[in-house]
Amino acid sequence: AQRVTQPEKLLSVFKGAPVELKCNYSYSGSPELFWYVQYSRQRLQLLLRHISRESIKGFTADLNKGETSFHLKKPFAQEEDSAMYYCALRGTDSWGKLQFGAGTQVVVTP
Amino acid sequence: NAGVTQTPKFQVLKTGQSMTLQCAQDMNHEYMSWYRQDPGMGLRLIHYSVGAGITDQGEVPNGYNVSRSTTEDFPLRLLSAAPSQTSVYFCASSPTGLGNTIYFGEGSWLTVV
Repeated sequence: AQRVTQPEKLLSVFKGAPVELKCNYSYSGSPELFWYVQYSRQRLQLLLRHISRESIKGFTADLNKGETSFHLKKPFAQEEDSAMYYCALRGTDSWGKLQFGAGTQVVVTP
Repeated sequence: NAGVTQTPKFQVLKTGQSMTLQCAQDMNHEYMSWYRQDPGMGLRLIHYSVGAGITDQGEVPNGYNVSRSTTEDFPLRLLSAAPSQTSVYFCASSPTGLGNTIYFGEGSWLTVV
């Protein structure tokens, strides 16, 4: 069975401080991992995907297959980073379906 | 190109009423799906479709029906609304195949009283 775990429900950080959102997964194979962001009452937007290995809005995420983790990091948090963040997994046999974690609410205070 | 469009955005229903949440996409995507979003539970898959005429159940299908008569539309029907169906509903679409992006609608806020 596939599972995505985001252990932190709420992460409160000061502006300019580093932020790290944890994501662990279980899947018997090589899944695709994603981070989605949802600003207040808006649609989910794709933030990062592990296959592209790019940095968006200063965020990066590295897939660690040994630890089955895909943590999201940003060295200097900004107030506009306040949002809900979801880690999601797509299995190799289910290209249209995403398994989501419970989400982490990030609050950046000045 | 409007992407994924959901209507209505907000709806209040009485217990036992039925209604349909509409979802349309103009990207000619084969794959469409419905998720519900609840606090502390993330998004959970309700139903999905891999193409016109083909639908299947997701993780939480009870109380919901879907159909896919065209590539563009994927309505979600609540047969007899219950307070447990109070949630935010998201429609999503994507092309087939791994590596493709899944696009989400803006969400529909449903309250059942």
